[in-house]
Amino acid sequence: ETGVTQSPTHLIKTRGQQVTLRCSSQSGHNTVSWYQQALGQGPQFIFQYYREEENGRGNFPPRFSGLQFPNYSSELNVNALELDDSALYLCASSLYQGGNYGYTFGSGTRLTVV
Amino acid sequence: AQRVTQPEKLLSVFKGAPVELKCNYSYSGSPELFWYVQYSRQRLQLLLRHISRESIKGFTADLNKGETSFHLKKPFAQEEDSAMYYCALEGGSEKLVFGKGTKLTVNP
Repeated sequence: ETGVTQSPTHLIKTRGQQVTLRCSSQSGHNTVSWYQQALGQGPQFIFQYYREEENGRGNFPPRFSGLQFPNYSSELNVNALELDDSALYLCASSLYQGGNYGYTFGSGTRLTVV
Repeated sequence: AQRVTQPEKLLSVFKGAPVELKCNYSYSGSPELFWYVQYSRQRLQLLLRHISRESIKGFTADLNKGETSFHLKKPFAQEEDSAMYYCALEGGSEKLVFGKGTKLTVNP
């Protein structure tokens, strides 16, 4: 059984650029959630994908978007990067069958915007 | 709105002492509550969830709906318990909402 893998592990981008982060979900899981964790803060929910559709969204602007693929892997895209987007981005997969049965987290992608 | 509050940013105890990490929540519905732990250089992992009512690594947590609390307790802390602990709530459209975390240090 493989866990959640995220790529890349670190990334440096310039303000105004666009970035794509990737996540492979744990085997047997059908739902992927993305979180932003700023330094010294708890993870903050960005959005969740289930059956390739967005299934809930936190308080993030539309320049944060995502995709889920048929194999349940997912991408997080951020356009027009701002300095405040610098954070650890976590992906979590879960199995949804009428309720979530626990989330498995990846190690995260550390994004630095300069 | 859903909110999770962990009032202590840092908590330091000696090995063998009892430890309690506080968590209060705000949610109008019936919440599912969790404790997640992050050991040094490791990924965030589930420690326990209130509906399973189980004890993991000697930790327990009781949901008190009257006080809207879900404090994490362990009677005898061990050095390997040193980690970052996050309380989280699942409910509504926000999915999993985390507190800001408490860094627990268990001194020898």
